[in-house]
Amino acid sequence: DGGITQSPKYLFRKEGQNVTLSCEQNLNHDAMYWYRQDPGQGLRLIYYSQIVNDFQKGDIAEGYSVSREKKESFPLTVTSAQKNPTAFYLCASSMTRATNEKLFFGSGTQLSVL
Amino acid sequence: GDSVTQMEGPVTLSEEAFLTINCTYTATGYPSLFWYVQYPGEGLQLLLKATKADDKGSNKGFEATYRKETTSFHLEKGSVQVSDSAVYFCALREETSGSRLTFGEGTQLTVNP
Repeated sequence: DGGITQSPKYLFRKEGQNVTLSCEQNLNHDAMYWYRQDPGQGLRLIYYSQIVNDFQKGDIAEGYSVSREKKESFPLTVTSAQKNPTAFYLCASSMTRATNEKLFFGSGTQLSVL
Repeated sequence: GDSVTQMEGPVTLSEEAFLTINCTYTATGYPSLFWYVQYPGEGLQLLLKATKADDKGSNKGFEATYRKETTSFHLEKGSVQVSDSAVYFCALREETSGSRLTFGEGTQLTVNP
């Protein structure tokens, strides 16, 4: 079945540690996105990539990093510089950058700080 | 910049009640508008969309009309079911924002039997 797979479902981070969230899609989509979801705040864009080997900062990129070495994969690293990392992280993809394209979402990763 | 504002939640209704969730937007260009739904512990799924003024999106009994004059995209359903309990997000997407999706805050809907 085609879709987006995020892993792990739950992740714990120790103080000062970097952690990486995985996002893989087999939909052959060009564009991929990372959103952060906090209670009562909706979703905020962290990073997005419209093509392999290229990505742009979203609204809250500080403390995060990404790579897009393969079309299928868009991992997100939460660095020690992110002081409030506890949130639900959602990865998404779309076929193109056309404005009427819908986004397909993964099932999310809940990150918590120990 | 682009922004989306949803009515404050949460919303609690009895089964078969009429639902309205208000959504208004600010955009510099001509965005496409979306409603996404999120069930507990899951990612978001597209519920419906409209791509130009006066378009009506509809799916699973839900409807929303793209009103450019009032910059609104209110979600409605005539008779809600317990299974409609979820968080609903209004969103917009336009070229001038790099085709990113901008979300509202989300509205938690609970439908009681």
